[in-house]
Amino acid sequence: EIVLTQSPGTLSLSPGERATLSCSASQIVSSTYLAWYQQKPGQAPRLLIYGASTRATGIPDRFSGSGSGTDFTLTISRLEPEDFAVYYCQQYGSSPMYTFGQGTKLEIK
Amino acid sequence: EVHLVESGGGLVKPGGSLRLSCVASGFTFSNAWMSWVRQAPGKGLEWVGRIESKTDGGTTDYAAPVKGRFTISRDDSKNTLFLQMNSLKTEDTAVYYCSTGYDINYFDYWGQGTLVTVSS
Repeated sequence: EIVLTQSPGTLSLSPGERATLSCSASQIVSSTYLAWYQQKPGQAPRLLIYGASTRATGIPDRFSGSGSGTDFTLTISRLEPEDFAVYYCQQYGSSPMYTFGQGTKLEIK
Repeated sequence: EVHLVESGGGLVKPGGSLRLSCVASGFTFSNAWMSWVRQAPGKGLEWVGRIESKTDGGTTDYAAPVKGRFTISRDDSKNTLFLQMNSLKTEDTAVYYCSTGYDINYFDYWGQGTLVTVSS
């Protein structure tokens, strides 16, 4: 089973700052199979990035994904007030088919 | 526009059963591979299981914590996905989302979720 570990658990930043969120896998993950989601309180998750670096439809270009192998990063270049939320990475593999990281909470400083 | 609407959640005693439904619209449901994902209160996301489209075999797969207790099925004539949950445990308490995507690797679309509470 591939375990995804996200860091930090909580990130406190101000609007306009740059956010860097990490996702570390216990085994090599194909970039094709790595995605990032944003979730706000009381809402369903929203797909941000798939294939490690491709933005989903309608996602602003301040969101970018990178990485390969076991280390992946979600970067938000300039934080907007609506970006403060919880972020999850997710991988597709086998047994279990899909696993999620435990999440990084991005909060306003 | 894609819509996924879950229903059927509620309060059930440990050992009980519940069936969730997810009605889909805005895409060709019969071609879609559909998943259930859950989220315990204040916790992260956990994949529950998936069903392939019938044309791709209709195979189901489940996460270990629910295997043997939960069953996913579909009625393509009604654009509806089901999750039959038996032998429920307190740790099954969560919001249950149905989801799907353009690719099997990730989830573009999510319903609003339905809350299942397992408590005596």
